[in-house]
Amino acid sequence: NAGVTQTPKFQVLKTGQSMTLQCAQDMNHNSMYWYRQDPGMGLRLIYYSASEGTTDKGEVPNGYNVSRLNKREFSLRLESAAPSQTSVYFCASSERVGYQPQHFGDGTRLSIL
Amino acid sequence: AQKITQTQPGMFVQEKEAVTLDCTYDTSDPSYGLFWYKQPSSGEMIFLIYQGSYDQQNATEGRYSLNFQKARKSANLVISASQLGDSAMYFCAMRESTSGTYKYIFGTGTRLKVLA
Repeated sequence: NAGVTQTPKFQVLKTGQSMTLQCAQDMNHNSMYWYRQDPGMGLRLIYYSASEGTTDKGEVPNGYNVSRLNKREFSLRLESAAPSQTSVYFCASSERVGYQPQHFGDGTRLSIL
Repeated sequence: AQKITQTQPGMFVQEKEAVTLDCTYDTSDPSYGLFWYKQPSSGEMIFLIYQGSYDQQNATEGRYSLNFQKARKSANLVISASQLGDSAMYFCAMRESTSGTYKYIFGTGTRLKVLA
């Protein structure tokens, strides 16, 4: 059971470079999410997709774009990376947005120099 | 104002004893949900328990129970019979919605250490 798979697991970028984080789930979930986790803080929602074809901003969307490629895949793009975007990024999915628990991937540790 | 407050940065508990991790929340949405997640040192986030705002009974999942006091806006996690494997970071989270847009808000977490 793969669950939620994130690639890559680690990445180092230079300021100004672009990067796409990939996420795929095999649980036939309708809703998918991207979070970032900074030291000493809880997770903060960047974007979510309630269902295929829809995306909505979360708490910290600035500097990011997302694409819900199909029901399985939800990618996060940094167009011009900044040091403030150094973080651990988590993708999650749930049957539908609202009442179901979210299942998380293992995270992507991203460093921007 | 903080939407989710976890006032205990760190907690210790003796193996086999029970421990309560505190969480208070603030929302004007009448239909909200509360979650607890565990994050071991390996980094993954593991769902533990869920409580809906309209649920009459406190949620329970094995050794985990949620002490839901709606009037006090608290949703404390109780872990019974602590095990060494329970040592981890624990996050309280809330789902609320405004005009059809959902928000998921996490607290800053409590680091639990179980002592042998």
